[in-house]
Amino acid sequence: DVKVTQSSRYLVKRTGEKVFLECVQDMDHENMFWYRQDPGLGLRLIYFSYDVKMKEKGDIPEGYSVSREKKERFSLILESASTNQTSMYLCASSYSALGGTEAFFGQGTRLTVV
Amino acid sequence: GIQVEQSPPDLILQEGANSTLRCNFSDSVNNLQWFHQNPWGQLINLFYIPSGTKQNGRLSATTVATERYSLLYISSSQTTDSGVYFCAVGDTGANSKLTFGKGITLSVRP
Repeated sequence: DVKVTQSSRYLVKRTGEKVFLECVQDMDHENMFWYRQDPGLGLRLIYFSYDVKMKEKGDIPEGYSVSREKKERFSLILESASTNQTSMYLCASSYSALGGTEAFFGQGTRLTVV
Repeated sequence: GIQVEQSPPDLILQEGANSTLRCNFSDSVNNLQWFHQNPWGQLINLFYIPSGTKQNGRLSATTVATERYSLLYISSSQTTDSGVYFCAVGDTGANSKLTFGKGITLSVRP
């Protein structure tokens, strides 16, 4: 079974803190993604990566950065957390192939910024 | 980008009833998935179905790519089917970024 693991289920941070959300997958997937989910807005793509050290902006990258130093790990970084970044964050991974492949999600991290 | 619309937004069923959830999308896709979000927030894969029909127990799904829609059927619903159902589509290309609909909230009452 594919396993995508996020480092924390719940996280509370203070405004202005630097926050790291970690995601690890065990299926040797090339693609990894970070989404955030907000009530009424659904899931929106923040950043994705299709290879080690490669990254591309999604639909809402402002206020975030990412790091992919190893194939299995994709980190989302909030450089200076703000209250409007309180949200549910979901990581996903998939194989890279023409025609698209199935994506698998981690269990999610509920981040509260106070 | 691709637009994804799910309907109805909310659905209330009595246990044992059948239901159909719909997903319309605005452009050609090469990836379509249905997910169920559990009460703890995790997205559970139901179907990977860019085209055709698949069945898994009481659930089945059909995607008609040429007409840009997909349907998820739930038969003999159970209270454990409650939750939010998402349709997500991937644009052409190898990276398969998924664009999600806003979800359908299903409540199954005993």
